[in-house]
Amino acid sequence: AQSVTQPDIHITVSEGASLELRCNYSYGATPYLFWYVQSPGQGLQLLLKYFSGDTLVQGIKGFEAEFKRSQSSFNLRKPSVHWSDAAEYFCAVAPTGTASKLTFGTGTRLQVTL
Amino acid sequence: KAGVTQTPRYLIKTRGQQVTLSCSPISGHRSVSWYQQTPGQGLQFLFEYFSETQRNKGNFPGRFSGRQFSNSRSEMNVSTLELGDSALYLCATRDRPSNTGELFFGEGSRLTVL
Repeated sequence: AQSVTQPDIHITVSEGASLELRCNYSYGATPYLFWYVQSPGQGLQLLLKYFSGDTLVQGIKGFEAEFKRSQSSFNLRKPSVHWSDAAEYFCAVAPTGTASKLTFGTGTRLQVTL
Repeated sequence: KAGVTQTPRYLIKTRGQQVTLSCSPISGHRSVSWYQQTPGQGLQFLFEYFSETQRNKGNFPGRFSGRQFSNSRSEMNVSTLELGDSALYLCATRDRPSNTGELFFGEGSRLTVL
């Protein structure tokens, strides 16, 4: 069965600083990979996804992620964080061909200081 | 275009009762998935419906059930409620269970079991 690990439960960065959120997955083949963001009291919003092809994926709100097969990682990055980016971020995987059945990581809560 | 609508947003039940939650998908979306979000277990896949048929199911007991109507609206039911069923229940919809379609999440129904 696939699994996702987000080793950082909580991260604090200063506004304007760069950000990297870590995600490692376990799966026999290359899964579909996703990053979602959840603001308090809200549902989840898709930031970006990887299915195949270029391993550097661009998403919304200035986020990008890089798929590294050798490290089974799909880390999320942003060059300059804004205070409005404070939220919880979830990495998720799905078996190829069943993109509805997502397995989520435990999430990383991002705090942004001014 | 209206988003995914979940009702009720908040509800309180007591142990042993049952509850029904509703999800109205985005117009044109025919695939509906349900997820449970708790602090301890995180986000977990419950089931997915398409064309009134359950297509995928997570690892939840039979007390958790769902259905989908001809207009694509979906309901999930939890019978004989337990304290551990307290959670945010999220509905996610897409146009069809494709390999690449984005999942759109509702804001969730927060269930508290006393």
